[in-house]
Amino acid sequence: DIVLTQSPATLSVSPGDTATLSCRASQNVRSNLAWYQQKPGQPPRLLIYGASTRATAIPGRFSGSGSGTEFTLTISSLQSEDFALYHCQQYSSWPQFTFGQGTKLEIK
Amino acid sequence: QVQPVQSGAEVKKPGASVKLSCEASGDTFTTFYVHWMRQVPGQGLDWMGMINPLNGETSYAQRLQGRVTMTRDSSTSTVTMELSRLTSEDTAVYYCARGYGFLDFWGLGTLVTVSS
Repeated sequence: DIVLTQSPATLSVSPGDTATLSCRASQNVRSNLAWYQQKPGQPPRLLIYGASTRATAIPGRFSGSGSGTEFTLTISSLQSEDFALYHCQQYSSWPQFTFGQGTKLEIK
Repeated sequence: QVQPVQSGAEVKKPGASVKLSCEASGDTFTTFYVHWMRQVPGQGLDWMGMINPLNGETSYAQRLQGRVTMTRDSSTSTVTMELSRLTSEDTAVYYCARGYGFLDFWGLGTLVTVSS
């Protein structure tokens, strides 16, 4: 199985600042990587797919980059509603998919 | 209504099986795969497997092979996931979601508690 490692496990950032979250794959997944945001008591919400394409209705302050084994989710001008749990997922190794262990973005 | 509708919470004893359902709209049922994930609250997501509702073709996470079964009922646009030989480690929220690779619509989740 392809293992996804997210870092850091917890990230403390002040509102208005920029948060940078990392996802590293144990094998080349090309651009077949998605990012999700999850708030307490809610299901995950798709933010980014294809490593860098924003999903419908996702604000422009969310951006994804990378390919191969190194990926980054950048959230600029952090708003209060952005503090949540973030997951990356690879869908390159069809039909076996994997998620990272998550990064918790908290208010500093 | 694109969001899948999941069945209610379950409490099971160790060694038992649980069967969860996920009702998808017609478009989802005929166009997308349906995936199942689970999550211990506050932790990461665990992909369990997926089913093609059109033909019933399945793929399961290798670590769950032999314990998980996914089926579909075309007449009700419902996908069912059954997990057998439950242990306390299976206590989690179980989600279904649609997609080929990335998952764009998720159900609200079903809490499964395994306790003696």
